[in-house]
Amino acid sequence: GEDVEQSLFLSVREGDSSVINCTYTDSSSTYLYWYKQEPGAGLQLLTYIFSNMDMKQDQRLTVLLNKKDKHLSLRIADTQTGDSAIYFCAPGSARQLTFGSGTQLTVLP
Amino acid sequence: EAGVAQSPRYKIIEKRQSVAFWCNPISGHATLYWYQQILGQGPKLLIQFQNNGVVDDSQLPKDRFSAERLKGVDSTLKIQPAKLEDSAVYLCASSTGLAGLIYEQYFGPGTRLTVT
Repeated sequence: GEDVEQSLFLSVREGDSSVINCTYTDSSSTYLYWYKQEPGAGLQLLTYIFSNMDMKQDQRLTVLLNKKDKHLSLRIADTQTGDSAIYFCAPGSARQLTFGSGTQLTVLP
Repeated sequence: EAGVAQSPRYKIIEKRQSVAFWCNPISGHATLYWYQQILGQGPKLLIQFQNNGVVDDSQLPKDRFSAERLKGVDSTLKIQPAKLEDSAVYLCASSTGLAGLIYEQYFGPGTRLTVT
């Protein structure tokens, strides 16, 4: 099955950029998603990228995909305290996702 | 539009007891998922329904876990008997399930189960 690896923790200063990285093993993943989970809440879809794309920008979010290295990253520009949460990388097919263990982002004032 | 509803939000039981969780997906969503999220880990898919049929239950511990989705709407996940290692948050998600569209999954707030 698919293995998805993420670093566990990331701390940044408010206003800086955050970069969350993810590596995966299944090269047949057609969609690659980023979900956000705030304390006590369910997961919320942030953005996604198709496997035939290299980059996708959506307001403060930029997703980069290196399909050859099976590496996905999420960049959050001008990080705010409200961005503090756990971020999950989830590659998969259109029907099923495999979630990484999540990266806890802490934004320091 | 109303989101995915789950109940109860919290449950504490002793090992060997049974417990049931309920999920009401977004109206019109054909696909329903149950995930188990152990503390510090990402969600792991337990079972996926398409309408009232099971698409994938390969990771469901069938000796103790069961799930149903009668009439293709609400779903119930049951654990009987519970073990300590079942302590987790149980997440329900739904999606439109329509071919050709992004299968964005909408998650409920989850049920936090503690087995003592």
